[in-house]
Amino acid sequence: KAGVTQTPRYLIKTRGQQVTLSCSPISGHRSVSWYQQTPGQGLQFLFEYFSETQRNKGNFPGRFSGRQFSNSRSEMNVSTLELGDSALYLCASTLTAGNEQFFGPGTRLTVL
Amino acid sequence: AQRVTQPEKLLSVFKGAPVELKCNYSYSGSPELFWYVQYSRQRLQLLLRHISRESIKGFTADLNKGETSFHLKKPFAQEEDSAMYYCALSPQTGANNLFFGTGTRLTVIP
Repeated sequence: KAGVTQTPRYLIKTRGQQVTLSCSPISGHRSVSWYQQTPGQGLQFLFEYFSETQRNKGNFPGRFSGRQFSNSRSEMNVSTLELGDSALYLCASTLTAGNEQFFGPGTRLTVL
Repeated sequence: AQRVTQPEKLLSVFKGAPVELKCNYSYSGSPELFWYVQYSRQRLQLLLRHISRESIKGFTADLNKGETSFHLKKPFAQEEDSAMYYCALSPQTGANNLFFGTGTRLTVIP
């Protein structure tokens, strides 16, 4: 079974731009969660989507948004990028609520 | 608000020695606790969760609600245990929003 895939793996953007990251969950998994990992703040929960609906949201500004498609693939978007948005963005998929989360390799975003 | 604390950023033990990675949490409800591990050049993966009460790769963790702790223990460390370990909390059973500690890097010295 293929694991969680994230594209692209690396991104370089400049301040003020916007970016879209993609996550393809394990086949059959319906929940996708997103996390931001930085050296200073560690791993922080962004949001979770289940069956195309946002089910949980972390404490991030509205510049961070996401969506999920009918095939469970998910995208997250960050608008008006700031230097502090530089991070590793991880997504994780779960079969259903409360099951083991399987993490992807992450997308490394650098904002210049 | 929930908070997970891992007091040790780095921990080194000799092969064959016991190891304990500390995790304390604060949360007013009944959380579910997990340990995740990331081996070198691998993805973050679940090691164990408190509700399953399993021993995985020789590791165990007991939830102590009185001390709000969920320490990870192994009686005899192996070199392959060297990794980054994260303690995580879910606010309720069945939720997928995890709150992570800052992690402890364990090094097992041969």
